[in-house]
Formats: sequence, C-alpha cells, structure tokens
Amino acid sequence: AQTVTQSQPEMSVQEAETVTLSCTYDTSESDYYLFWYKQPPSRQMILVIRQEAYKQQNATENRFSVNFQKAAKSFSLKISDSQLGDAAMYFCAYGTSGSRLTFGEGTQLTVNP
Amino acid sequence: EAGVTQSPTHLIKTRGQQATLRCSPISGHTSVYWYQQALGLGLQFLLWYDEGEERNRGNFPPRFSGRQFPNYSSELNVNALELEDSALYLCASSQQRAKTDTQYFGPGTRLTVL
Repeated sequence: AQTVTQSQPEMSVQEAETVTLSCTYDTSESDYYLFWYKQPPSRQMILVIRQEAYKQQNATENRFSVNFQKAAKSFSLKISDSQLGDAAMYFCAYGTSGSRLTFGEGTQLTVNP
Repeated sequence: EAGVTQSPTHLIKTRGQQATLRCSPISGHTSVYWYQQALGLGLQFLLWYDEGEERNRGNFPPRFSGRQFPNYSSELNVNALELEDSALYLCASSQQRAKTDTQYFGPGTRLTVL
C-alpha cells in the first residue's frame, strides 16, 4: 500500500524568508502524481502544486517549487519570499491515474511578521 | 468557472440519526471523491464515484454510502450516526480522462454528532 510521510508536524518562517517542507512516500508504481495542498483556517483544501512522476523537471508555480527525487521517493516543497497568507496546514498527497489520493499527516506552517 | 460546492456548510445530528451531504463538481468533471477529515486522524478516503458508478471505497463501514446523479453531483449518506463520525467531510472532483486527474476540493461540510 502507498504511504506518505511528513516528518515535520510544525514549521515556522519569517516573512520574506524561504522555507522547505519535507515529504517522503512509498510506492511500487512507476506512474503516479504528487501534490501539495494547503488548508488555511477556512478548511478549504487548495492545490498548491503538482508533479508528474514521469517528468524529470521539478514543477514551479510562482513562489512555490518542488524538489522531486524519484529514486529517493522524496518530494519537498520550497516556499520563497514567504507571506503571511502562506500560513496554513500543508498536505503532501500521492495519487495514480483515476484513483484516490493518499495524504500525509500535514505540516502546520506559521509565518512570523 | 465555479468550483466544487458542498452543502450544507454545517450539520448537527444526534447519535443514531442519518445525515445526507451533497456535492456538486466542477463543470465537465465526471469523478467525485469523498474524504473524511476527523480530528487527529488526517484525511481518509471514503468513496469514489465516476460516471454514476461507485469505483472504489475506503475502509469504512457500510453505513457510509452514496450515489452519483446523471448530472455528476453526488450525495454522501451516513446512517446510524456515531459520535466518532463527527468530522469535516470534503468532496473533490476531477476530470477523469485528463492526464493528471488533479482533484479539486470543495469547502467541506462540518458534521457534528451529539
């Protein structure tokens, strides 16, 4: 069974600084997708970034980028120029085509002014 | 483009009652997923519907059931409510035939069982 592990229950960062959230996963599949979602206090799950396993290039979305290490089964999220609005619970998720998502336990990110 | 919508926002029931939660997917999306987010238990997969059929279900008892309508909206029913069913229920939709099948989430329904 696939598992996703986020080893950092809480992280904090100063506004305008950079922070990296860690995620590891376990799978025997070769074709899969990885996602980072954020869940602010409103509880709405918002897609931050996605990565297809077959792509070697790391995904980037504005201030958000990932470091995808397929052999190590690692998928970290880097947030640059952190903003107060980035404060949220961040979930790493794994999925294959047309199937459920498996989520990590989440990392609570605090952004200090 | 309208996102995934869920109703009601909050639902309060007593133990033993039945709860019905509703979800409308993004236009053009045929798949609907249901997840339970209980305090301290993370996000757990409940059910997946696509083209009107149940495709997969998570490790939940049969009193959790649902259906998908011809317009792809979906209903989650929870029978014989128990206190531990109190949770945030999230619905997500995806365009099944798209390459990445990215799931987009609704705002959730907060179910409280007293």
